[in-house]
Amino acid sequence: GNSVTQMEGPVTLSEEAFLTINCTYTATGYPSLFWYVQYPGEGLQLLLKATKADDKGSNKGFEATYRKETTSFHLEKGSVQVSDSAVYFCGGTSYGKLTFGQGTILTVHP
Amino acid sequence: DTEVTQTPKHLVMGMTNKKSLKCEQHMGHRAMYWYKQKAKKPPELMFVYSYEKLSINESVPSRFSPECPNSSLLNLHLHALQPEDSALYLCASSQDGNTIYFGEGSWLTVV
Repeated sequence: GNSVTQMEGPVTLSEEAFLTINCTYTATGYPSLFWYVQYPGEGLQLLLKATKADDKGSNKGFEATYRKETTSFHLEKGSVQVSDSAVYFCGGTSYGKLTFGQGTILTVHP
Repeated sequence: DTEVTQTPKHLVMGMTNKKSLKCEQHMGHRAMYWYKQKAKKPPELMFVYSYEKLSINESVPSRFSPECPNSSLLNLHLHALQPEDSALYLCASSQDGNTIYFGEGSWLTVV
């Protein structure tokens, strides 16, 4: 079956630091890959997506590149802000089913 | 902008109550979903409706009963719940079955 593995958290950074959250996947077929963000007390927001190999998704300064050779979709941001503090979920859909990673809690301090 | 609207945002119910969660989307999406999320965990799929027909039931207990009255609406009827059913219930929709858009969720507490 499909699975998504995220780096274990939580991750704590200072404002303006560089962020990487690792995500790898195993799937049959060619999954579409996503990053969702969940702010405290809210639902999930789609942050970015990539639907095929070498696609780069980007939004709000976040980026992730679909790497078929390493089956990875790592999330990066060059300079985090306090407002980026949230839980980040990596996910992949294959044959209509969305599989999530375990989530990574990000806390950014001023 | 994509938008999935859920009501109520918060619900407290007793174990003998009957209540419903409601979800609406006006994006013309063909598929709608219910997910359950416990604290500090990823969402878990409960039900999928495709073209208003139930296509996936992830072995959810019968005390949860979904209903899709039309292509824009999705309900989750709740009856005889247990305290362990307390969670965030997320509705979602999708046009292509790949990119899934979530609502803000309904926080359910069973007392």
